[in-house]
Amino acid sequence: QKEVEQNSGPLSVPEGAIASLNCTYSDRGSQSFFWYRQYSGKSPELIMSIYSNGDKEDGRFTAQLNKASQYVSLLIRDSQPSDSATYLCAVIGYSSASKIIFGSGTRLSIRP
Amino acid sequence: DGGITQSPKYLFRKEGQNVTLSCEQNLNHDAMYWYRQDPGQGLRLIYYSQIVNDFQKGDIAEGYSVSREKKESFPLTVTSAQKNPTAFYLCASTEGSGNNQPQHFGDGTRLSIL
Repeated sequence: QKEVEQNSGPLSVPEGAIASLNCTYSDRGSQSFFWYRQYSGKSPELIMSIYSNGDKEDGRFTAQLNKASQYVSLLIRDSQPSDSATYLCAVIGYSSASKIIFGSGTRLSIRP
Repeated sequence: DGGITQSPKYLFRKEGQNVTLSCEQNLNHDAMYWYRQDPGQGLRLIYYSQIVNDFQKGDIAEGYSVSREKKESFPLTVTSAQKNPTAFYLCASTEGSGNNQPQHFGDGTRLSIL
């Protein structure tokens, strides 16, 4: 089992709709969770951090964390073509000595 | 403007040659990291350093070497022992020793074999 798992996609969502990206992790003691956006050929850019169970909203982005079920998700409301990118889930696990473990990413495509 | 600067943006390596990728940060971050990303793949950790003059191997350290003589600099050398070096190399840093803090990335160096 991978430490951080994401569906590779591509996930195709119509413009203006809600895009939902999911991530599961194996280390039950994990405390810190991040979402990065990576455009093709570019480096990852941090878009959300979440540390507590529940929802955290920032503009059109909402991160959701459920530690009991070991998943974290990212919702993008009013999806725009500029949201088309690969989204990486990253987790700092209790057993990983503060190293971030990255998922392989989900490719999101927003269709006009 | 604070940030992480990687150079060069593109690099070509000949057979048997060592090459060094530069990573400099002016964020006063303690921890620095090197990752390798292959096309369509996730990030794999090569080396990381949480303090000056100390560094640890990541998951794929073979064929690579690093140094951390200054807080702001963490160069990566790709040695001739790395037989498949073609990839996108990313340097990152975090505040403190990295506990619970997100990583921030430079723009990357794309390395290819001649």
